[in-house]
Amino acid sequence: DSGVTQTPKHLITATGQRVTLRCSPRSGDLSVYWYQQSLDQGLQFLIQYYNGEERAKGNILERFSAQQFPDLHSELNLSSLELGDSALYFCASSNRSGTGNEKLFFGSGTQLSVL
Amino acid sequence: AQKVTQAQTEISVVEKEDVTLDCVYETRDTTYYLFWYKQPPSGELVFLIRRNSFDEQNEISGRYSWNFQKSTSSFNFTITASQVVDSAVYFCALSGGSSGSARQLTFGSGTQLTVLP
Repeated sequence: DSGVTQTPKHLITATGQRVTLRCSPRSGDLSVYWYQQSLDQGLQFLIQYYNGEERAKGNILERFSAQQFPDLHSELNLSSLELGDSALYFCASSNRSGTGNEKLFFGSGTQLSVL
Repeated sequence: AQKVTQAQTEISVVEKEDVTLDCVYETRDTTYYLFWYKQPPSGELVFLIRRNSFDEQNEISGRYSWNFQKSTSSFNFTITASQVVDSAVYFCALSGGSSGSARQLTFGSGTQLTVLP
């Protein structure tokens, strides 16, 4: 058990809809990372937050947004969903700010299926 | 841009055999970090090893060993005396020393390792 909690584990929705994925980092970790894992794109970095502030942004679509709250949990919002958004979305946390050499602890992921 | 290539898509071995997973990377950074993560059938990614670009000393940890060679931009991972529980997808990853998104992990496409009893 990594200590990172993601909910829900599975999400089935329709095209055009909006969903929210939630992540609670390990106790004491200030950084939260979001990754997307799909069959065609593999594992891709989406966005990182550190202590409530956006720290780095990767291949995140404009239809997607995220935030980190004062209690350090994070939410990833996906809107105007398309079939191609179906993927496994991972949250990871670390106790560092994003220096590149962090050991990341990953949650078990949220499997999103867009029908 | 950073890139990680894992040419082996799938490997199948019989229990107790040794197996090496290959990883080749590309980066323009002089300081970078290399990682191996494991994704068992349960789905959660698990950290295995991390190496700095300025530390080419190879290491053995139990049944695992790593071979980092800057001259060939390779960071290979070996499991000795494989076990059925080693069956998983193994990802090689790279992060750069420069700022912003370059510091984030760039993953290879993964190698599915199946260890047969």
